[in-house]
Amino acid sequence: GQQLNQSPQSMFIQEGEDVSMNCTSSSIFNTWLWYKQDPGEGPVLLIALYKAGELTSNGRLTAQFGITRKDSFLNISASIPSDVGIYFCAGQLSGNTPLVFGKGTRLSVIA
Amino acid sequence: DVKVTQSSRYLVKRTGEKVFLECVQDMDHENMFWYRQDPGLGLRLIYFSYDVKMKEKGDIPEGYSVSREKKERFSLILESASTNQTSMYLCASMAFTDTQYFGPGTRLTVL
Repeated sequence: GQQLNQSPQSMFIQEGEDVSMNCTSSSIFNTWLWYKQDPGEGPVLLIALYKAGELTSNGRLTAQFGITRKDSFLNISASIPSDVGIYFCAGQLSGNTPLVFGKGTRLSVIA
Repeated sequence: DVKVTQSSRYLVKRTGEKVFLECVQDMDHENMFWYRQDPGLGLRLIYFSYDVKMKEKGDIPEGYSVSREKKERFSLILESASTNQTSMYLCASMAFTDTQYFGPGTRLTVL
């Protein structure tokens, strides 16, 4: 099945640093989503993007829906230890189609 | 808040056993999904359902079946469990015009 190209696969950063990760696709999507998964838990929705070019913030998180509709990025500013986890991007073509997921970015924050 | 619950957080079964994983959502969502998650492979879609008694194969349906007799409940069945089905299983639900919400996951070990 189709998967998104998500990078980087993993990151080790110092507490207080900013983080950036992105997802690209060979096909367009009409919705981009970003999820975070804590160890042993299910993914939790962080940000949903519905319009090309849209830039949306949720606290220290900012995500953008690429203008070509084939990419999205997620930024985390001033990272803290509880930001540790796996971040997944997901794209959706329409409301009745399954999400397509990236393989995730594993974030580790060193205090 | 949307609530997706899964019947077990941890499950240990023997090879050849029939295994039922249950998922219940409380938001009257039309769509429900079963994924498995393995290190390095991300989230892979097993089956999904758009409505009661309807089911669609995802990317990796082999060795699995599903049942949706009621709108709020979506069951994943392993007819004869095998060791390569040891994984984290995630259920999700979604309204047609909403985003996808995940349950906490079931970590299944097949011995």
